[in-house]
Amino acid sequence: ILNVEQSPQSLHVQEGDSTNFTCSFPSSNFYALHWYRWETAKSPEALFVMTLNGDEKKKGRISATLNTKEGYSYLYIKGSQPEDSATYLCASTGGFKTIFGAGTRLFVKA
Amino acid sequence: KAGVTQTPRYLIKTRGQQVTLSCSPISGHRSVSWYQQTPGQGLQFLFEYFSETQRNKGNFPGRFSGRQFSNSRSEMNVSTLELGDSALYLCASSDPGQHNYGYTFGSGTRLTVV
Repeated sequence: ILNVEQSPQSLHVQEGDSTNFTCSFPSSNFYALHWYRWETAKSPEALFVMTLNGDEKKKGRISATLNTKEGYSYLYIKGSQPEDSATYLCASTGGFKTIFGAGTRLFVKA
Repeated sequence: KAGVTQTPRYLIKTRGQQVTLSCSPISGHRSVSWYQQTPGQGLQFLFEYFSETQRNKGNFPGRFSGRQFSNSRSEMNVSTLELGDSALYLCASSDPGQHNYGYTFGSGTRLTVV
């Protein structure tokens, strides 16, 4: 695994807006793609782990998709709330190594 | 089920000293990974231990080392500390035997080198 890229680096939205982030990862030697939410002063918390091309996962207002052939995953948040403010990390696992992206910092204004 | 426990939570050391950080994984998890986070950077992979063996290592100098004990607890050691080693060090445990495994993180150790 060479590099995991996340975009945008940060995002400011209003309460009620829907938003999405992108995670790009090398598609060779791929095993799993993870998404985590990291709130300030807390530990990263697992949201989703996906392994199959075309996987879609959903947890409440948050959902994620996976395209292993082209090496990207999207995370969607529907109707953002202030409590969604956090850093969203993605990580790609392959060859017994998990590499994290730098994260997307989301700010939701009430 | 107890979570991942890291000790100490905070640490202040001076340049040139060495430090040892501890991580106790979730019971039954045999894999422990260590990460460094500095301001503006993502989580940088240090190393992973599985069943007392280092399975993978990131691009850190030899001053960073670790080990894992038979009860899966892991320690990380940094020798000859430098100012740039100031960071949040996170450990994460997982059970690679499970399909679709994810990581459970500890609360981290905040190391400040002065």
